[in-house]
Amino acid sequence: EPEVTQTPSHQVTQMGQEVILRCVPISNHLYFYWYRQILGQKVEFLVSFYNNEISEKSEIFDDQFSVERPDGSNFTLKIRSTKLEDSAMYFCASRGGRKGELFFGEGSRLTVL
Amino acid sequence: AQSVSQHNHHVILSEAASLELGCNYSYGGTVNLFWYVQYPGQHLQLLLKYFSGDPLVKGIKGFEAEFIKSKFSFNLRKPSVQWSDTAEYFCAVIPSSGGYNKLIFGAGTRLAVHP
Repeated sequence: EPEVTQTPSHQVTQMGQEVILRCVPISNHLYFYWYRQILGQKVEFLVSFYNNEISEKSEIFDDQFSVERPDGSNFTLKIRSTKLEDSAMYFCASRGGRKGELFFGEGSRLTVL
Repeated sequence: AQSVSQHNHHVILSEAASLELGCNYSYGGTVNLFWYVQYPGQHLQLLLKYFSGDPLVKGIKGFEAEFIKSKFSFNLRKPSVQWSDTAEYFCAVIPSSGGYNKLIFGAGTRLAVHP
């Protein structure tokens, strides 16, 4: 069964460093998302991406965050200068059509020290 | 704006007990509804979904949910829980009209099943 894959599974970084989280969505999917889950809290929407541009972003997704789909397969989330409060599990998701479920990856755990 | 409320934040049951987790959403239009499960240390997995048709949907592992449109509810049920059902359960909703609408999650319900 096709799946969304994410790398790395766990990254530890120092505050202020740049981090890139990578995702390979399901190959024929058109809609892409990043969510995050701070430990013990709810799953929060960060950003959605369609047709090579951001379609919606949340208040969390400030200027420190960016997304890119550089080569038609990868979908990356970059955090320019990490803060302690960016420590969370980041989930990538993709969706095939206008209607349908989101398929989630296994997540990338980011720990900012 | 759409939102999802899960009324029980933490539920503790004994094995073989029946389970019902409440979920209510607020949105004026047609929605697709989901329940996701997150086992300890793992990622989100889809339990079941409702798009249209029979409001009683059956998912994996013996779970089912009933969509009651008049109550804006999509409660999750299981007649007899097992220890392996210990996990966090998230209700989620997405408008069914648009293409790039986002999935909105409830706060989650943490279920602990004791042997």
